[in-house]
Amino acid sequence: EDQVTQSPEALRLQEGESSSLNCSYTVSGLRGLFWYRQDPGKGPEFLFTLYSAGEEKEKERLKATLTKKESFLHITAPKPEDSATYLCAVQNTGNQFYFGTGTSLTVIP
Amino acid sequence: SQTIHQWPATLVQPVGSPLSLECTVEGTSNPNLYWYRQAAGRGLQLLFYSVGIGQISSEVPQNLSASRPQDRQFILSSKKLLLSDSGFYLCAWSVRLHGYTFGSGTRLTVV
Repeated sequence: EDQVTQSPEALRLQEGESSSLNCSYTVSGLRGLFWYRQDPGKGPEFLFTLYSAGEEKEKERLKATLTKKESFLHITAPKPEDSATYLCAVQNTGNQFYFGTGTSLTVIP
Repeated sequence: SQTIHQWPATLVQPVGSPLSLECTVEGTSNPNLYWYRQAAGRGLQLLFYSVGIGQISSEVPQNLSASRPQDRQFILSSKKLLLSDSGFYLCAWSVRLHGYTFGSGTRLTVV
């Protein structure tokens, strides 16, 4: 069964303290892996799409990487405005999407 | 530009009352549209999707229904709300390279 597991559930960082969020997945055939950012009370916002193992994408302080079993969202020198819930999702070759439950990130000034 | 509108943002309804949530998209034609529900700690649950006018697929049997009366309009309804219908409802359309573009969500509280 296709599924996505994100860890940790919650993460508290000091401003400037770099860390990584994990998204482990099992999928019958990967069409794409997606990262979203969700602020409280709002819909998720698209961050990255990764298609194949070894691929990397960067945007400001965020970098997403992909292997055959997991993806990491690396946050370098985070700022308080990076506080949000980060969601991971996979799309299989049948065009079905599976979402993780998210990692709630809090960056303390 | 492509945008998605969802309303209302918050809604408090008594048990047994009807529900209608509306979602419209702009800047695209014949989009695939979705209704998701998000519960704390449980991720996003797909409720309905539609590939065209009048075409609705239900993923989870429940107290809700969906309709697509126009190409860019998607409606989530209920005839009689239950307490368990409370949650955060998201409309979305599939975007080829982004997975989904989501609406701003509706926080529904059934009391």
